[in-house]
Amino acid sequence: QQQVKQSPQSLIVQKGGISIINCAYENTAFDYFPWYQQFPGKGPALLIAIRPDVSEKKEGRFTISFNKSAKQFSLHIMDSQPGDSATYFCAASNDMRFGAGTRLTVKP
Amino acid sequence: EADIYQTPRYLVIGTGKKITLECSQTMGHDKMYWYQQDPGMELHLIHYSYGVNSTEKGDLSSESTVSRIRTEHFPLTLESARPSHTSQYLCASEEHDAYEQYFGPGTRLTVT
Repeated sequence: QQQVKQSPQSLIVQKGGISIINCAYENTAFDYFPWYQQFPGKGPALLIAIRPDVSEKKEGRFTISFNKSAKQFSLHIMDSQPGDSATYFCAASNDMRFGAGTRLTVKP
Repeated sequence: EADIYQTPRYLVIGTGKKITLECSQTMGHDKMYWYQQDPGMELHLIHYSYGVNSTEKGDLSSESTVSRIRTEHFPLTLESARPSHTSQYLCASEEHDAYEQYFGPGTRLTVT
């Protein structure tokens, strides 16, 4: 059973564009929403995370937008760069199930 | 850089063999996890542990076992490997109630 639904499965963006990845969750008990970034041959690494008491969190070019009433959250990558090409996973604690992943390709 | 280690990094074995994948962390984290992941695909939770002598099954655990005798060590055992076990296995650890998981580099397993 997938408690965190992620879309799109893959995304191609031009350099300098905005990448947007969406996730939806079901369990209202979840209280921590991280995004992980994974490069080929590596384990995932925490990129940015948000708690449900705020609607937005920004770290550099990466922003999480959180909509508690809709039970949705999204990752925005501004000024996308080829080095951002990776697979991105959303997750939701307390369960620590991950979304299915989005493979992002940023074309130069 | 997180201090979580997995060995071996790569393993090719024949069907029916028993194998143990090792995972160790030096951060003193209570929680540890095993995930199975085909390259670039979804992470499937196999087992997790909240501390010493605690082990729980995840969504994909029926053909493997784990143990947690020491805080730093969380090995995964496949009693009889099959070609369907061919995948990457990722170990992760998490400080109690911190929610951030630190992942190891993974073990790429091929069963012939």
